[in-house]
Amino acid sequence: DAKTTQPPSMDCAEGRAANLPCNHSTISGNEYVYWYRQIHSQGPQYIIHGLKNNETNEMASLIITEDRKSSTLILPHATLRDTAVYYCIVSRAAGNKLTFGGGTRVLVKP
Amino acid sequence: EAGVAQSPRYKIIEKRQSVAFWCNPISGHATLYWYQQILGQGPKLLIQFQNNGVVDDSQLPKDRFSAERLKGVDSTLKIQPAKLEDSAVYLCASSLGAGRDTEAFFGQGTRLTVV
Repeated sequence: DAKTTQPPSMDCAEGRAANLPCNHSTISGNEYVYWYRQIHSQGPQYIIHGLKNNETNEMASLIITEDRKSSTLILPHATLRDTAVYYCIVSRAAGNKLTFGGGTRVLVKP
Repeated sequence: EAGVAQSPRYKIIEKRQSVAFWCNPISGHATLYWYQQILGQGPKLLIQFQNNGVVDDSQLPKDRFSAERLKGVDSTLKIQPAKLEDSAVYLCASSLGAGRDTEAFFGQGTRLTVV
């Protein structure tokens, strides 16, 4: 599976959009981009995933560049409960192994 | 639907003792994962099962760690004997199956402290 690079930390203001970048320059054509988050003392939680097209669900939006070498997770209106570590993972499918990196520690401030 | 269940939530043991963790995945999920998460790091995959067969155990320290998945449902992870560096949260996850475009669901984990 391709490796991902994320900033170690970022702050954002409550009520504003949070844009979390991820680089995955060695991604293969059959690999998906997955985003999970881990709130303190809990197991990771699935957020969203995509292959080529942009995706949106009730939690977030995923924007994947045309060359698929990078992506951005967007939390449209960050709340204090969105404070967590966010992991960007590249994997052939969820049934395949998920290799976690260090993630981005996001702190939402009032 | 019920989530991934793990027990115990916390365990404290002395080094060289043995310990076992239990996981009950979501009903119908063919793939089960065990991860180790050391404080401040992302989860590291220890072993992946597809039904009751092992798909990947390349990062499992087989001299002291063992895992089994009974009848392709519940799973246990054992450490024998434990070392101080085994202190971590052990996470179990499940998903519908390999090659399926679906997410993995994680349990709350078992926090192990080896003293």
